Amino acid sequence: RKEVEQDPGPFNVPEGATVAFNCTYSNSASQSFFWYRQDCRKEPKLLMSVYSSGNEDGRFTAQLNRASQYISLLIRDSKLSDSATYLCVVAGYSTLTFGKGTMLLVSP
Amino acid sequence: GAGVSQSPSNKVTEKGKDVELRCDPISGHTALYWYRQSLGQGLEFLIYFQGNSAPDKSGLPSDRFSAERTGGSVSTLTIQRTQQEDSAVYLCASSLGAVPNYGYTFGSGTRLTVV
Repeated sequence: RKEVEQDPGPFNVPEGATVAFNCTYSNSASQSFFWYRQDCRKEPKLLMSVYSSGNEDGRFTAQLNRASQYISLLIRDSKLSDSATYLCVVAGYSTLTFGKGTMLLVSP
Repeated sequence: GAGVSQSPSNKVTEKGKDVELRCDPISGHTALYWYRQSLGQGLEFLIYFQGNSAPDKSGLPSDRFSAERTGGSVSTLTIQRTQQEDSAVYLCASSLGAVPNYGYTFGSGTRLTVV
């Protein structure tokens, strides 16, 4: 089992749609979790941290299920500018392990 | 500086030549990381520096790769005798502390092309 697994997509959705991505991780000792966003030919940028209680930032909601070892990201009211690759990231004691990302394409 | 600075932004080199990539982390960030990303692939961990501790080199793909961090700040990644499979974007990131509770901040990367 890969350390961090994501559906590569692409997810094609119209503007205004709600879309959800899931990610699974293999190391049960993982300490912290994040979602990063990466635009084409750009560096990854931190989107949000993921907490056990779930957390929300505007249109974005992240959830963590430690028992099942998966993380989710929900995007409501999708915008054209949300088109990007979303990277699921799992932290160990000193480094981050990145998934290969899920591509989202939002169309007019 | 305000962000993580990497140079050069692009590098084209001939197979067999050595290259040096530079990273200037965010001021005050004690942890520095190098990753690389090949076309269409995920990020691959290379090496990690934390303060004055010995670096974690577990991700370096071969002995042609080395890195150093001088004075706890600027880092240089050196690739000797470059091969075509070394072509990738090399990303540097820095973090406030050893445990990445806050995530990383990445530089914009060096796009290395070995011809």
